[in-house]
Amino acid sequence: EVLLTQSPATLSLSPGERATLSCRASQSIAGYLAWYQQKPGQPPRLLLYETSYRASGIPARFSGSGSGTDYTLTISSLEPEDFAVYYCHHRASWPTTFGQGTKLENK
Amino acid sequence: QITLKESGPTLVKPTQTLTLTCTFSGFSLTTSGVGVGWIRQPPGKALEWLALTFWNDERHYSPSLKNRLTITKDTSNNQVVLTMTNMDPVDTATYYCAHRLDSSFFDPWGQGILVTVSS
Repeated sequence: EVLLTQSPATLSLSPGERATLSCRASQSIAGYLAWYQQKPGQPPRLLLYETSYRASGIPARFSGSGSGTDYTLTISSLEPEDFAVYYCHHRASWPTTFGQGTKLENK
Repeated sequence: QITLKESGPTLVKPTQTLTLTCTFSGFSLTTSGVGVGWIRQPPGKALEWLALTFWNDERHYSPSLKNRLTITKDTSNNQVVLTMTNMDPVDTATYYCAHRLDSSFFDPWGQGILVTVSS
């Protein structure tokens, strides 16, 4: 089973700042990684898939990069609506798994 | 437009069997490559994948819960049913169903249903 470790657990930033979230896999997942955003009381929303492709309707300030075991979600300039919990998720093999999440909070 | 909605009991007793139904629209589980999965989230905790069924009856289960889970599809009624046996208070969570293609990720998700396990 591939374990996904996200860091940091909590990230405190202000609107306008750049956010960098990390997801590390216990073995190579060959780019088969997605990022989700979840706000309180809502289901997760797909942001990025296959490492770097934005899902429909996702603003260009969200970008993804990485390969092998190390992946990054970058939000170039935080908007007030970006403060939420972010999860990474792989589909490289069964079982598919999620990271434990990074909470992005407004400083 | 793809939509999914979870339904079932919101309160179950320990040792009981939970049966949840995902009713969907905007796609068919007879279409090649299409799947529906279940994911849960205990209050304040992370997402945990449970099970997934594809159009061709291919099924996958979380290894840690495999012995307790069954996922089935009813293509005529556009539904996917998840059963989980021997419920315990630690199974208290919001249970989500979600659409997935075999070459992609879960998108979109239903709104979820909070299931509480308590005597």
